[in-house]
Amino acid sequence: AQSVTQPDIHITVSEGASLELRCNYSYGATPYLFWYVQSPGQGLQLLLKYFSGDTLVQGIKGFEAEFKRSQSSFNLRKPSVHWSDAAEYFCGLESNSGYALNFGKGTSLLVTP
Amino acid sequence: DTGVSQDPRHKITKRGQNVTFRCDPISEHNRLYWYRQTLGQGPEFLTYFQNEAQLEKSRLLSDRFSAERPKGSFSTLEIQRTEQGDSAMYLCASSSPSGGLIQETQYFGPGTRLLVL
Repeated sequence: AQSVTQPDIHITVSEGASLELRCNYSYGATPYLFWYVQSPGQGLQLLLKYFSGDTLVQGIKGFEAEFKRSQSSFNLRKPSVHWSDAAEYFCGLESNSGYALNFGKGTSLLVTP
Repeated sequence: DTGVSQDPRHKITKRGQNVTFRCDPISEHNRLYWYRQTLGQGPEFLTYFQNEAQLEKSRLLSDRFSAERPKGSFSTLEIQRTEQGDSAMYLCASSSPSGGLIQETQYFGPGTRLLVL
């Protein structure tokens, strides 16, 4: 069975501090993994995605993620968080169907001054 | 490219009423998806269209739900005899086949938030 787990429901970081959001997956083959961000009143926006190749993926807004097969993880990182990064972050993978996306439950990021 | 649009953005209805939502995908995208997002959860897949053909329906899509995509352009999602459990955000996404090994990206609209009283 395929699944995505985001262990942290809420994360609070200070502006300027580094960030790491955790994501673990369960999938039989090499998964297509992604991170989306959802701001209040906004649609989901793709930050980055991984399917093959370099396991360190660069995304928009200064985010990056590293695929670690041995740990079944795809953690999202940012070296210095800005107040505008406060949002809900969703990790996920593409299902066996090849089009339906399976999302984790999300991690809510709060950025303090 | 104006992005995916959805209408209405908010809908309040009474239990038992029918509601219909509309999604306009990015113009050149031939694939369209509906997802449902409840509070504290990630989006859950409901159904998928390629052009006008509905190729998959999730088990979440009960008989009260129906989706159409006439002429392969905009899509509508109708819920008949709404129940309080239908209260959620309904998200639409669209994509275009990218070919090769590059996985296509699904672009999401802002969603329609439904509240059933």
